[in-house]
Amino acid sequence: GENVEQHPSTLSVQEGDSAVIKCTYSDSASNYFPWYKQELGKGPQLIIDIRSNVGEKKDQRIAVTLNKTAKHFSLHITETQPEDSAVYFCAASSGSGYSTLTFGKGTMLLVSP
Amino acid sequence: EAGVTQFPSHSVIEKGQTVTLRCDPISGHDNLYWYRRVMGKEIKFLLHFVKESKQDESGMPNNRFLAERTGGTYSTLKVQPAELEDSGVYFCASSQPAYMNTEAFFGQGTRLTVV
Repeated sequence: GENVEQHPSTLSVQEGDSAVIKCTYSDSASNYFPWYKQELGKGPQLIIDIRSNVGEKKDQRIAVTLNKTAKHFSLHITETQPEDSAVYFCAASSGSGYSTLTFGKGTMLLVSP
Repeated sequence: EAGVTQFPSHSVIEKGQTVTLRCDPISGHDNLYWYRRVMGKEIKFLLHFVKESKQDESGMPNNRFLAERTGGTYSTLKVQPAELEDSGVYFCASSQPAYMNTEAFFGQGTRLTVV
């Protein structure tokens, strides 16, 4: 089955800096890679996703890159703000939202003012 | 539009007791999933319903866990009898039919503590 590794487990940055979280996956059949943000007391919320037919996707301060050959994908947050502080999870699946997701262990991002 | 709703938000029970978690998916979402996060580890898949049918229950830990989705609307996850290692946060998620190719929406989770 699929295995997703996520690094780092914790990340502390100063407000305005960039943050990068990296994930690797094992199953070459995986073709959908979402990123979820979980704030305290809330459930995971999708912030961006990418499918295997593209290498990069951007949405304002957030971007995701995918390298299918190397089986890794990354989340990039620019101009970080304190409200970006949360736990971020990467995931992989062989479908879209209708398929089961295999998650990484999460990264706790702390943005200091 | 209401999101995925889970009840209760927290539950503390003693080892050996029974607990039932409930999930109300977004209206019209055929797919319903249960996931669990134990002790700060990764969120792990438990099972997947398509309407009222179990599509995949390969992630269910053992036969102490029973999930139902009668009528294809809300779902319940019963743990009986509960063990200490069942403690964790149980998430429910739902998504639209496969052909619509959309994301899975998660509920806020139920934090289960077995003491």
